[in-house]
Amino acid sequence: QLQLQESGPGLVKASETLSLTCTVSGGSIKNGGYYWGWIRQPPGKGLEWIGNVYYSGTTSYNPSLRSRVTISIDMSKNQFSLKLRSVTAAATAAYYCARAQITMNRGVIRRDDAFDIWGQGTMVTVSS
Amino acid sequence: QSVLTQPPSVSAAPGQKVTISCSGSSSNIENNYVSWYQQFPGTAPKLLIYDNNKRPSGIPDRVSGSKSGTSATLGITGLQIGDEADYYCGTWDSSLNTRVFGGGTKVTVL
Repeated sequence: QLQLQESGPGLVKASETLSLTCTVSGGSIKNGGYYWGWIRQPPGKGLEWIGNVYYSGTTSYNPSLRSRVTISIDMSKNQFSLKLRSVTAAATAAYYCARAQITMNRGVIRRDDAFDIWGQGTMVTVSS
Repeated sequence: QSVLTQPPSVSAAPGQKVTISCSGSSSNIENNYVSWYQQFPGTAPKLLIYDNNKRPSGIPDRVSGSKSGTSATLGITGLQIGDEADYYCGTWDSSLNTRVFGGGTKVTVL
């Protein structure tokens, strides 16, 4: 059974870079039928999509974060990673990695696929 | 302020039915597929419904999803204590060019 596990520092200083890794086990990240995403949730608040990465390395990002975000994939390690630069206290949140199945609609890759498998999440606090 | 609007809370007695609405617009719900997630405190969201009304393996048929125009609805019948959780809708917004989620609805079993 496929599992995802987030890892990385739980405390990051303001203005620095938040770096997290999601390790995929029980399956290969090379499976071209899926793509991989990051979602975060500030304490007591709702979900916010950060971005996705495809096995090809193609990425898509939330426009509100695009200038500061990089998501990459490392197929040799069966991992994908998130880097969020110049963080502020607003980045304090639980960060989740997740998987979505690639589906087509009228010959175009859909963007509204559900995230069917999620990691347990990791809490990141930004300190001043 | 979330792009998709959900009621903050809904409640019902055990065995009864609850419905959770998710209101959006033509740039999101009306022209994209909707998914629903269940989240217990301190845990990751779990997929309940995808493609508006499909259930992943293992999700009981007392959970249902529907969509009409710019709104989607999650229904849970035969409500159980174990259904007390937060529920989120999500989809893609073609104008904002981003995935969007509702603000979440807390289900309370009376």
